[in-house]
Amino acid sequence: EPEVTQTPSHQVTQMGQEVILRCVPISNHLYFYWYRQILGQKVEFLVSFYNNEISEKSEIFDDQFSVERPDGSNFTLKIRSTKLEDSAMYFCASSERHLQETQYFGPGTRLLVL
Amino acid sequence: QQQVKQSPQSLIVQKGGISIINCAYENTAFDYFPWYQQFPGKGPALLIAIRPDVSEKKEGRFTISFNKSAKQFSLHIMDSQPGDSATYFCAASPLSGGYNKLIFGAGTRLAVHP
Repeated sequence: EPEVTQTPSHQVTQMGQEVILRCVPISNHLYFYWYRQILGQKVEFLVSFYNNEISEKSEIFDDQFSVERPDGSNFTLKIRSTKLEDSAMYFCASSERHLQETQYFGPGTRLLVL
Repeated sequence: QQQVKQSPQSLIVQKGGISIINCAYENTAFDYFPWYQQFPGKGPALLIAIRPDVSEKKEGRFTISFNKSAKQFSLHIMDSQPGDSATYFCAASPLSGGYNKLIFGAGTRLAVHP
């Protein structure tokens, strides 16, 4: 069964450093998302991406964050200058069509900012 | 108004019992209500979902009950099994408004004891 994959599974970085989290959505999916989950808390929406542009973003997704689809398979989340409070599990998700209900989540990248 | 409130925070059920998790929302623009199941170290996986045109949806041992007037929905797990032990998140999305983002509840940690 096709699945969303994410790399790396774990990332440790120093405060102020840039990190890039990578995702490979399911191949025929066109709509992509990033969510994050701070340890012990709920999953929070960050951004949705469709047709090579951001469809919607939350207030969490400030100027330190950016997303990109650099090629036909990868979808990346970049945090330009990490803060301690960026430590969280970051999930990528994808759905087949615009406004298609089911979002398929990847296994996540655990980011720890020291 | 964007919040989804979920209860209880944790739940212990004996094998064979019924697990009930409740969620409430305020935003009447929400029109898609999924439940996600998350095992430790994994991403959320869609379990079952409902649209507001029906009051109940059943898939195997899992049932969603939906009360549009009360703006509440709940997940019932019949004949709960130890393998059901996981964290369950309710979510809501304003799909018809053109937005795919999922707004998650805080999660319920379910433990099913043998």
